Amino acid sequence: DAGVIQSPRHEVTEMGQEVTLRCKPISGHNSLFWYRQTMMRGLELLIYFNNNVPIDDSGMPEDRFSAKMPNASFSTLKIQPSEPRDSAVYFCASSLRQGPTYEQYFGPGTRLTVT
Amino acid sequence: EDQVTQSPEALRLQEGESSSLNCSYTVSGLRGLFWYRQDPGKGPEFLFTLYSAGEEKEKERLKATLTKKKSFLHITAPKPEDSATYLCAVSPGGSEKLVFGKGTKLTVNP
Repeated sequence: DAGVIQSPRHEVTEMGQEVTLRCKPISGHNSLFWYRQTMMRGLELLIYFNNNVPIDDSGMPEDRFSAKMPNASFSTLKIQPSEPRDSAVYFCASSLRQGPTYEQYFGPGTRLTVT
Repeated sequence: EDQVTQSPEALRLQEGESSSLNCSYTVSGLRGLFWYRQDPGKGPEFLFTLYSAGEEKEKERLKATLTKKKSFLHITAPKPEDSATYLCAVSPGGSEKLVFGKGTKLTVNP
């Protein structure tokens, strides 16, 4: 089975530009998560969806960040306008919420650099 | 506030030298405690889920245990390929989200 797929793997952009990160979850999984990892703050949840519906977006830093999940096999995280402090590795993860087990499987991440 | 603290931040072992990594947590109604392994430049890789105090799980040289406020990841006779950052995370009751600690970077020298 293919794991979680993220694109692009690396993104370098200038401050003020729009950035769109993409994620394809594992087929059959019904929850999708966006995390951000930095040296200072570690791995932090930004937002998660269950059955394509946003459930918790309390980790989204500000209005410059938005996320969508138009269908079960695709999600985007958009930053507009981007700022240097947004530089981080962004991970997408998915899980199958079924009974007591619901471990999350992570993609390889997108390394974002905003200059 | 849900919080996870891992110690030590970094640990160097000789091959074959067993040790434990520590994870302390405060959470509103623990739904589950998770251990992940992360290699440089890669996403976290799932290792274990523990649900209740007293529970233990094993995988090869790794054994995870859970108490009411702590979890331990014991590594028996580690090999250089066990070198990685080990992350502990909790899932609060009523949510699927994971709250992560900052990890323990383990280096096993041959």
